[in-house]
Amino acid sequence: QSVLTQPPSVSGAPGQRVTISCTGSSSNIGAYYDVQWYQQLPGTAPKLLIYANNNRPSGVPDRFSGSKSGTSASLAITGLQAEDDADYYCQSYDRSLSGVVFGGGTKLTVL
Amino acid sequence: QAQLVQSGAEVRKPGASVKVSCQASGYTFINYYMHWVRQAPGQGFEWMGWINPKTGATKYAQKFQGRVTMTRDTSISTAYMELGSLRSDDTAVYYCARQYNNGWYFDWGQGTLVTVSS
Repeated sequence: QSVLTQPPSVSGAPGQRVTISCTGSSSNIGAYYDVQWYQQLPGTAPKLLIYANNNRPSGVPDRFSGSKSGTSASLAITGLQAEDDADYYCQSYDRSLSGVVFGGGTKLTVL
Repeated sequence: QAQLVQSGAEVRKPGASVKVSCQASGYTFINYYMHWVRQAPGQGFEWMGWINPKTGATKYAQKFQGRVTMTRDTSISTAYMELGSLRSDDTAVYYCARQYNNGWYFDWGQGTLVTVSS
């Protein structure tokens, strides 16, 4: 049972926009800790997509964007491409647990 | 460009221990906390703890207290994670992850598969 809650799966056709939600609580996202998003392709390590809620590392396309409000955060992907077919995880810090926490992951299927 | 290279896959019997290494390059090793995170097959990520490479101070997730030990060798820019009293549900890919200095986010190693089986 993950501390952060994500939908197990989302899907969209090429070119469409999808969003993935990440719901936390007052001890993590709601406590003003930043949210990060990672993309994981099968058999590979996670790749940082968004950090500090809405910042993209260099090299990440601007099709990926993040937002945060209250105890939740969202990842939006516009102009879906076949290569976006992957697992996506949110991550934050929890002050009650004094540790890093993750969402359970969302499988994005590009139809 | 920071790079984290981990040791190869391991197979252990229940009750044994395993030690995974993570060699860092491309940055000053002692200046960045190193975390360990694991991912069981088909599952999400589970944070295990961190080590401050400069001081050797550690913080472990409560679940792993007493079973995990994180160490480092600054002379070779390498961090280690040792997990003892292994059980079958410890079968997972273990990742080292370098924490950025301005937030709780990470660059990751390639992962090390640890299989626990009799």
